Amino acid sequence: KAGVTQTPRYLIKTRGQQVTLSCSPISGHRSVSWYQQTPGQGLQFLFEYFSETQRNKGNFPGRFSGRQFSNSRSEMNVSTLELGDSALYLCASSQPESVYGYTFGSGTRLTVV
Amino acid sequence: AQSVAQPEDQVNVAEGNPLTVKCTYSVSGNPYLFWYVQYPNRGLQFLLKYITGDNLVKGSYGFEAEFNKSQTSFHLKKPSALVSDSALYFCAVRDGPGNTPLVFGKGTRLSVIA
Repeated sequence: KAGVTQTPRYLIKTRGQQVTLSCSPISGHRSVSWYQQTPGQGLQFLFEYFSETQRNKGNFPGRFSGRQFSNSRSEMNVSTLELGDSALYLCASSQPESVYGYTFGSGTRLTVV
Repeated sequence: AQSVAQPEDQVNVAEGNPLTVKCTYSVSGNPYLFWYVQYPNRGLQFLLKYITGDNLVKGSYGFEAEFNKSQTSFHLKKPSALVSDSALYFCAVRDGPGNTPLVFGKGTRLSVIA
């Protein structure tokens, strides 16, 4: 079956702009989590959505937001981009309360210039 | 809150030698532990997990990990390293089966030298 699909794969944006990233989970998975990966900080948890509701939120400023649609697809938005937002953004899907962990997409590489 | 520590940023090993990538964790309840691997420009791939049962867990590509409750550790091991094992390895923990997020360590870069 198809894996987790993230679009676009690469993005270049200018400081102050906003960006929207998309994630389509594995069919049947209702939970979607977002992580920011940077070389110095590893993977940092952004938020998790389940059945269109934000279930958990990490320690990121309000410029980072997300949502989930009825078909479980999720989007995350970053407004007023800063240079420090340059990172690989990873989406992962899972079944709720799954013992199987997450299945990750290939990520969106965001570069802010 | 749960946390994971991977004390080594980099591990170098010669091909054919055994490898160990270290991980320690902290949770308030029962830990669900995972190892993932990341190749360049890719997402994370699941290697193995510990939920309950035997402390020695076997996973993909010949990797295994040993759960040690008293030392709160979950080290990744492989008896004989391959050059193709060179990648970034992440340990992760979840506090039980509930709806808490998966928390990752900062990763360890494994370099296997021919």
